[in-house]
Amino acid sequence: DAGITQSPRHKVTETGTPVTLRCHQTENHRYMYWYRQDPGHGLRLIHYSYGVKDTDKGEVSDGYSVSRSKTEDFLLTLESATSSQTSVYFCAISDKGGSYNEQFFGPGTRLTVL
Amino acid sequence: DQQVKQNSPSLSVQEGRISILNCDYTNSMFDYFLWYKKYPAEGPTFLISISSIKDKNEDGRFTVFLNKSAKHLSLHIVPSQPGDSAVYFCAAKSSGGSYIPTFGRGTSLIVHP
Repeated sequence: DAGITQSPRHKVTETGTPVTLRCHQTENHRYMYWYRQDPGHGLRLIHYSYGVKDTDKGEVSDGYSVSRSKTEDFLLTLESATSSQTSVYFCAISDKGGSYNEQFFGPGTRLTVL
Repeated sequence: DQQVKQNSPSLSVQEGRISILNCDYTNSMFDYFLWYKKYPAEGPTFLISISSIKDKNEDGRFTVFLNKSAKHLSLHIVPSQPGDSAVYFCAAKSSGGSYIPTFGRGTSLIVHP
């Protein structure tokens, strides 16, 4: 199994509070991604990183920011959490940017915003 | 606008029979396709893939078929086992564009003993 951990695994927070989710990898993979999974929507890309300090937006980036100061860590921040951000968040990694490779996913973080 | 569609949200199959999960795509630039399997409370895991230069790829009980003219792929599981019960995501990528896959919404497979 690829060495990917996510923390926390579960979090309950209140509307308007800041939240940071952490993804940590031990594979030294260049590419890292944040997805959210919601019923009826599958996996939707929030942000991704193609190197240290190199990040870009995905299809559902509004309300989220990311940072990557080290190869192994990719942080997802909700500056002011809203109930619509209640979801399961998955981090993923890949070692190449080309087509012919797969992503490895972390175990997920279940976030509830009350 | 969904570029990758899994039109069956769920599928129920008897143990030992064949499971067929379908996926359609609209972007003709997609040339690499992947299937991921996801158990509850776990992250998705890669299952099998196929490039557009092939029309079939087999790995044990799992076979993926690609019909480029119809922009359709399917995952066959034979024989189905209760442990195959999971959500299956289809994903597609383009070698000429972004390396990031586009995912379908998933199909929940239940295999009954």
